[in-house]
Amino acid sequence: QQQVKQSPQSLIVQKGGISIINCAYENTAFDYFPWYQQFPGKGPALLIAIRPDVSEKKEGRFTISFNKSAKQFSLHIMDSQPGDSATYFCAARGSWGKFQFGAGTQVVVTP
Amino acid sequence: DTGVSQDPRHKITKRGQNVTFRCDPISEHNRLYWYRQTLGQGPEFLTYFQNEAQLEKSRLLSDRFSAERPKGSFSTLEIQRTEQGDSAMYLCASRDGTGSYNEQFFGPGTRLTVL
Repeated sequence: QQQVKQSPQSLIVQKGGISIINCAYENTAFDYFPWYQQFPGKGPALLIAIRPDVSEKKEGRFTISFNKSAKQFSLHIMDSQPGDSATYFCAARGSWGKFQFGAGTQVVVTP
Repeated sequence: DTGVSQDPRHKITKRGQNVTFRCDPISEHNRLYWYRQTLGQGPEFLTYFQNEAQLEKSRLLSDRFSAERPKGSFSTLEIQRTEQGDSAMYLCASRDGTGSYNEQFFGPGTRLTVL
């Protein structure tokens, strides 16, 4: 049973464009929602995260929008760069701090 | 390097063999997690330690899997009688549990291939 659903599976965006990735969850007990970036052969690295009492968080070119009533959150990557080409995972934190991850979105930024 | 380290980085084994992976968390991180990631999927939770106590195990962790964290420092994950379906990346993560929103840091993973 997939507790966090992520879309799209893949995304191609031109340099300078906006990448948008969406996630939806079911469990209202989740209390923290991070986004991780993963490059091939590497472990996931935290990109940005949000608490459920906040509707938006921005760090540089990365913004999380959070809609608690809809149980949805999204990642926006502004001014996408070739170095942003990676796989992005949304996650939701449950009991004992364990994460439920989405299936991932492969982002390719073309020059 | 003070990040989470894992050893080995790659392991190729034949079906039926036993394998053991090691994770060294960030020093003084009392919380340690193991995840498994198959190709094209997000990591899936396997088990969680708080200090040396194993507090939760996923149903994914069959009786062929065992994990330990002696003395609350490094952790090992052993898979007995490996099967081809065990082929995956095994990720370890650690967190300082003194703050509710402290980051969970991931290691580089151990990629297991079962032939």
